[in-house]
Amino acid sequence: NAGVTQTPKFQVLKTGQSMTLQCAQDMNHNSMYWYRQDPGMGLRLIYYSASEGTTDKGEVPNGYNVSRLNKREFSLRLESAAPSQTSVYFCASTNGGSSLSTDTQYFGPGTRLTVL
Amino acid sequence: QKEVEQNSGPLSVPEGAIASLNCTYSDRGSQSFFWYRQYSGKSPELIMSIYSNGDKEDGRFTAQLNKASQYVSLLIRDSQPSDSATYLCAVTAYSSASKIIFGSGTRLSIRP
Repeated sequence: NAGVTQTPKFQVLKTGQSMTLQCAQDMNHNSMYWYRQDPGMGLRLIYYSASEGTTDKGEVPNGYNVSRLNKREFSLRLESAAPSQTSVYFCASTNGGSSLSTDTQYFGPGTRLTVL
Repeated sequence: QKEVEQNSGPLSVPEGAIASLNCTYSDRGSQSFFWYRQYSGKSPELIMSIYSNGDKEDGRFTAQLNKASQYVSLLIRDSQPSDSATYLCAVTAYSSASKIIFGSGTRLSIRP
């Protein structure tokens, strides 16, 4: 049981290049998330997928696209990378929420992305 | 205004004392509240979740929720050097129970 896995662990891009960050979970969770973390900024939600087949914007979606490929996988794509997208990217998953409660999020190890 | 506000710290507490971490949120309809701990260079991990007003205790940790004041706190009793980390407050949005927003975190340092 690997939990949440992310690939790659590190990546360096040049401005304007594109790339896709991959995330997979083996806990049969319904909801998946992409966050970015900059120094002193906490975690900022980029996109989330409440369930397979749905995606929604978070706090900072500009410059990103996502795909919920199936229940296990949720990818994040940078079409034209910019230096402002230099960050650590975390994927997370949870069993989902109801009007009364939301389950624990489990996080992947993160992808450290540098855009030159 | 950020949806979830925390004092960035650093908060310095002597070993064995009580550390008190605070968080306020703007979405009055939020229903679920979480405290995560994050060591430098690592992923966040859940410490406590709380869903109703009042206190919830788990070992040395106590979470307190006051929905009327839109305030959630975390108390760490008998602080240990291993508690030195960044503590992140997270809150669900009323618009979607699956949308989870984090504060910017409070750095806690336990001094021997």
